[in-house]
Amino acid sequence: NAGVTQTPKFQVLKTGQSMTLQCAQDMNHNSMYWYRQDPGMGLRLIYYSASEGTTDKGEVPNGYNVSRLNKREFSLRLESAAPSQTSVYFCASSAGQGSSPEAFFGQGTRLTVV
Amino acid sequence: AQSVTQLDSQVPVFEEAPVELRCNYSSSVSVYLFWYVQYPNQGLQLLLKYLSGSTLVKGINGFEAEFNKSQTSFHLRKPSVHISDTAEYFCAVTKTSYDKVIFGPGTSLSVIP
Repeated sequence: NAGVTQTPKFQVLKTGQSMTLQCAQDMNHNSMYWYRQDPGMGLRLIYYSASEGTTDKGEVPNGYNVSRLNKREFSLRLESAAPSQTSVYFCASSAGQGSSPEAFFGQGTRLTVV
Repeated sequence: AQSVTQLDSQVPVFEEAPVELRCNYSSSVSVYLFWYVQYPNQGLQLLLKYLSGSTLVKGINGFEAEFNKSQTSFHLRKPSVHISDTAEYFCAVTKTSYDKVIFGPGTSLSVIP
């Protein structure tokens, strides 16, 4: 029973490098989310996707892009990493319209940009 | 727009004592409310949720929360805490089952032996 799976778990990047964080869910959920977690800031929404084929900006979208590849997968791309993007990133999913609204979370990706 | 306030960033409490973690939200429409727990180096896990009906909601690990619409609050309580309850607790809100979920800044609960 995997739920929400994120890869990688840890990553160190140099400033200016690019990378993609992968997320997949096996619960047939419609909605998927990317959050970042920083000390004292709680979880801040970067992007979300209410359904396959749609994406919307959250609170802190600058410096990121997303792709909802299919219903299962939602990737987050950093085109040119900056030290300010050092954070823990969480992917989440929820069932969507007509279903119970709680979100289910992956284990997180700890990203350090040096 | 919705927002969530957790007034206490850190709450120290002795083992077996009661605890209350406060959460207030702002929204002009009806909402769904949640409490999540995050243990060190892990993802978030749902503790309990309020969707409708009874304003007293019971969750896992002996936690409960009470929805108060007039005070726009959803405070989390436990009558007797254990060392294993040491974690970060997040209150969250959403308007509908397909809307984005907004989280509060979190409350760090430390249980002292």
